[in-house]
Amino acid sequence: AQSVAQPEDQVNVAEGNPLTVKCTYSVSGNPYLFWYVQYPNRGLQFLLKYITGDNLVKGSYGFEAEFNKSQTSFHLKKPSALVSDSALYFCAVRDMSRGATNKLIFGTGTLLAVQP
Amino acid sequence: SQTIHQWPATLVQPVGSPLSLECTVEGTSNPNLYWYRQAAGRGLQLLFYSVGIGQISSEVPQNLSASRPQDRQFILSSKKLLLSDSGFYLCAWSVPHGDLLGANVLTFGAGSRLTVL
Repeated sequence: AQSVAQPEDQVNVAEGNPLTVKCTYSVSGNPYLFWYVQYPNRGLQFLLKYITGDNLVKGSYGFEAEFNKSQTSFHLKKPSALVSDSALYFCAVRDMSRGATNKLIFGTGTLLAVQP
Repeated sequence: SQTIHQWPATLVQPVGSPLSLECTVEGTSNPNLYWYRQAAGRGLQLLFYSVGIGQISSEVPQNLSASRPQDRQFILSSKKLLLSDSGFYLCAWSVPHGDLLGANVLTFGAGSRLTVL
């Protein structure tokens, strides 16, 4: 079965420190991977995606993610966290099952809390 | 540019009452449209998706239904709400299947918070 896992419910980091939000996946074939962010009482916003090419993908707001095929991971990173980065982060993978028609499978989300 | 509108933003309804949430997209044609529910402020559950007018796929059996009467309009409905229907409902669109550059980049509306009492 295809799935995506975010092992941490919450990540706490001090402002200015690097941050990592973890994501692992399980799909058949080559994965299409995504990160989205959700601020309180808002819809999700697209941050970045990996389809093919360089394993390090750069996205919005200074975020980047590294695709690691051997570890089946796609961790989200940022060199220096801001308080305004505090939000709920979702990892997602394209559903590659037959007839899936452009559907995404989302992880359960990781709450990032950046302390000033 | 493309925009997505969702309304109402907040809704409080009694058990057994009907529901209609509306979503419209501007600035694009033939989008894929999606309804998600986010319960307890966390996980996202895909409820329905549509690849064209009148074409609705249901992901999970439930008390809700969806319709797409026009190309850029997607409606979520219920005849009789249950307490368990409470949640944050999100509409989203993406480019049609086959456009790999944009495939699966979902653009979400601001959401509709439904409380069933």
